[in-house]
Amino acid sequence: AQKITQTQPGMFVQEKEAVTLDCTYDTSDPSYGLFWYKQPSSGEMIFLIYQGSYDQQNATEGRYSLNFQKARKSANLVISASQLGDSAMYFCAMREGPTGNQFYFGTGTSLTVIP
Amino acid sequence: DAGVTQSPTHLIKTRGQQVTLRCSPISGHKSVSWYQQVLGQGPQFIFQYYEKEERGRGNFPDRFSARQFPNYSSELNVNALLLGDSALYLCASSAIGSSLAKNIQYFGAGTRLSVL
Repeated sequence: AQKITQTQPGMFVQEKEAVTLDCTYDTSDPSYGLFWYKQPSSGEMIFLIYQGSYDQQNATEGRYSLNFQKARKSANLVISASQLGDSAMYFCAMREGPTGNQFYFGTGTSLTVIP
Repeated sequence: DAGVTQSPTHLIKTRGQQVTLRCSPISGHKSVSWYQQVLGQGPQFIFQYYEKEERGRGNFPDRFSARQFPNYSSELNVNALLLGDSALYLCASSAIGSSLAKNIQYFGAGTRLSVL
């Protein structure tokens, strides 16, 4: 089974609107971390936001927030007030265990912001 | 502060050749991980090194090897290159600690390898 599933290959959003990128995960480890990364065409993976499995509140970082629904095993990324510079690939990733030695990545979602 | 740096940025090799990719972690980070990202897919884990020891290995053949130096920089070696090895190779560093939040992996810009 896939550890991370991203079901939206491509998404479009109007500038200044909010957009939600979906991510579901699969693990039996009670301790895990969930991450979102942005990858522009240049290739560098840019860390956006982190959510720990024991965190009580949803993580927020500026215009990014993570809608964490543990029972449904989902960790959706919400980008508010979209900007043209948000156009990129977005990857959801998971680390199993407190200091797991690898990240599992999804296949990514390509986001295009329309002026 | 400098981020994760990788060299070279681009590389073209022919089948059967060997290649060495280099990575310098963020200052203070002792863990380095390598990932392969084939076009259109997410990164796949190859290796993790911590304090110069291999801590994890993904599902890659023995043609792939790596090492970490005393200054925590790392090299990834790939022998007997195949066409399918063409990919973006990403290096990530992290400061592994007792807190979950310290295991965020920060990535470099990658080395784009083309095998002809």
